[in-house]
Amino acid sequence: GAVVSQHPSRVICKSGTSVKIECRSLDFQATTMFWYRQFPKQSLMLMATSNEGSKATYEQGVEKDKFLINHASLTLSTLTVTSAHPEDSSFYICSASQLGFSNQPQHFGDGTRLSIL
Amino acid sequence: QKEVEQDPGPLSVPEGAIVSLNCTYSNSAFQYFMWYRQYSRKGPELLMYTYSSGNKEDGRFTAQVDKSSKYISLFIRDSQPSDSATYLCAMSASGQNFVFGPGTRLSVLP
Repeated sequence: GAVVSQHPSRVICKSGTSVKIECRSLDFQATTMFWYRQFPKQSLMLMATSNEGSKATYEQGVEKDKFLINHASLTLSTLTVTSAHPEDSSFYICSASQLGFSNQPQHFGDGTRLSIL
Repeated sequence: QKEVEQDPGPLSVPEGAIVSLNCTYSNSAFQYFMWYRQYSRKGPELLMYTYSSGNKEDGRFTAQVDKSSKYISLFIRDSQPSDSATYLCAMSASGQNFVFGPGTRLSVLP
């Protein structure tokens, strides 16, 4: 149980392109989803916390107009990297916590490797 | 001082060895503790989830929490080459937003 699917797994695109990443909880409902960024050999850096039906909460230093987050349903959150540039190249990972259960751990997707040329 | 500290390794051990992975933290309010395993180019996979102090065992894995020392450990018995991965600790005061350690890279040599 508690499977989180993230799509696509790999994106290569030109500078200036906008890229959308989907995060789905497959067998549970997720009140909260989290978006992380991870650089090679470094830990997870929380970008934003996404709550269903409300605006995302962004961490300090993360541009909300650059990284658009939509959490339209209890099973889907999307991250759109707008007008991506080479410095946005990174590994983006989402996670989800199960609805209705307090203090539940986060379950992670397999990540999206974004490469901007 | 970082909120959660973890030796990045790499840690290399022979197959069959007992592995000890550790994290220290500074926030005494932390009471929820997790260990994740992350293979290269994959998302983290939850291994252990504990609350407050004490031990928890699951197969070859044992998690220990010592809140008085602000120190948590993950032990892996009879380590296998398939255990080679990066191990991340994570902790939270409320069980909501977790703070992750930088991870320890483990290599189990056949």
